[in-house]
Amino acid sequence: QVQLQESGPGLVKPSQTLSLTCTVSGGSISSGGYYWSWIRQHPGKGLEWIGYIYYSGSTYYNPSLKSRVTISVDTSKNQFSLKLSSVTAADTAVYYCARDPGGGSYYFDYWGQGTLVTVSS
Amino acid sequence: QSALTQPASVSGSPGQSITISCTGTSSDVGSYNLVSWYQQHPGKAPKLMIYEGSKRPSGVSNRFSGSKSGNTASLTISGLQAEDEADYYCCSYAGSSYVVFGGGTKLTVL
Repeated sequence: QVQLQESGPGLVKPSQTLSLTCTVSGGSISSGGYYWSWIRQHPGKGLEWIGYIYYSGSTYYNPSLKSRVTISVDTSKNQFSLKLSSVTAADTAVYYCARDPGGGSYYFDYWGQGTLVTVSS
Repeated sequence: QSALTQPASVSGSPGQSITISCTGTSSDVGSYNLVSWYQQHPGKAPKLMIYEGSKRPSGVSNRFSGSKSGNTASLTISGLQAEDEADYYCCSYAGSSYVVFGGGTKLTVL
């Protein structure tokens, strides 16, 4: 059973960089075929896709966030990470990591529990 | 790319059937049979209920079904149960390796 777990600071100051890591267990991140995603949910609002990474390092980002987002992968640690720069209060959200089975499916079958990140001075 | 449009809320009584719509455009829902649906209970992570328009993952009740007509996808829940009360989100592939979510629908079981 694949499990994903987000970790990182729960409080980030405005203009700084938000950094989160997702640790995958129960399967290898580099076993191929899967895309590893970040998705966020503003308080009381809907879901917003942030981007994907493939184990090879290929990335795909939401155009609305592309200029501020970097997703990277560390296959040796079975982790992938999110960096969001120049954050504002509008980036306060619960951040989820999730798995897309790949193969042109574009859905998310496993999710982390989510972590709340608050942007405030 | 704009979010897909869902009704803010729907309701039904136990045993009834309800349908939640998800309206997109010819660039997303209308062009691909790649709509997925997620159930989210308060304080929990979303759970995949339907993928590729109408397929159910193992373990999801057959009371949940998905369909599509034109630019609108639909999730139908039959035999409504109290445990179905949750928020539901649709998601569609929108081309260029981009996906877009709907704004979510709150289902109330009366």
